[in-house]
Amino acid sequence: SAVISQKPSRDICQRGTSLTIQCQVDSQVTMMFWYRQQPGQSLTLIATANQGSEATYESGFVIDKFPISRPNLTFSTLTVSNMSPEDSSIYLCSVAPIMNTEAFFGQGTRLTVV
Amino acid sequence: SQQGEEDPQALSIQEGENATMNCSYKTSINNLQWYRQNSGRGLVHLILIRSNEREKHSGRLRVTLDTSKKSSSLLITASRAADTASYFCATEETSGSRLTFGEGTQLTVNP
Repeated sequence: SAVISQKPSRDICQRGTSLTIQCQVDSQVTMMFWYRQQPGQSLTLIATANQGSEATYESGFVIDKFPISRPNLTFSTLTVSNMSPEDSSIYLCSVAPIMNTEAFFGQGTRLTVV
Repeated sequence: SQQGEEDPQALSIQEGENATMNCSYKTSINNLQWYRQNSGRGLVHLILIRSNEREKHSGRLRVTLDTSKKSSSLLITASRAADTASYFCATEETSGSRLTFGEGTQLTVNP
């Protein structure tokens, strides 16, 4: 299993500013995933964070808007840059320590942009 | 993009009744997982079924998987008000560990 600590749990930010979300795992994992959940909707994968290389972004998401760091095998950050109200969502990090087994999720960061 | 579709989008039942939710997907998978989410909070993992399995049970939960139809169902028996939540299916594709989520079903269990 894996325990994920994600922070902040929530924030209210001014448009045009940036917010960095941190995700700490209690064990070493190869891949970490960042998801966005817009209000009333399902989860959409933003990117896969790989240690030692650039993150792999899904269609519709770009590095300039969502830069990701992965300095080691237990930590990652996601920055939401130049925020607008449309970025108001829950952002979640996730790990799957072993392929074809259960994935684990942080408690999420509820972001409101005003 | 979302590959999974879930139905129904919303389901309202009385306590004690059974609730069935369905999920369809499009690609080859390693496994399919079901999660619960209460009021936009963190995800709670319910059950995982691998591509070579057809049925799995966990307490009041029963999951089936039909890889020929690319579909799965989640049955919650003897539902309780505390089961009120959003339920999501998610597939792990054979290409890697990333999960693709379905649209979700909002279940309301009335006392």
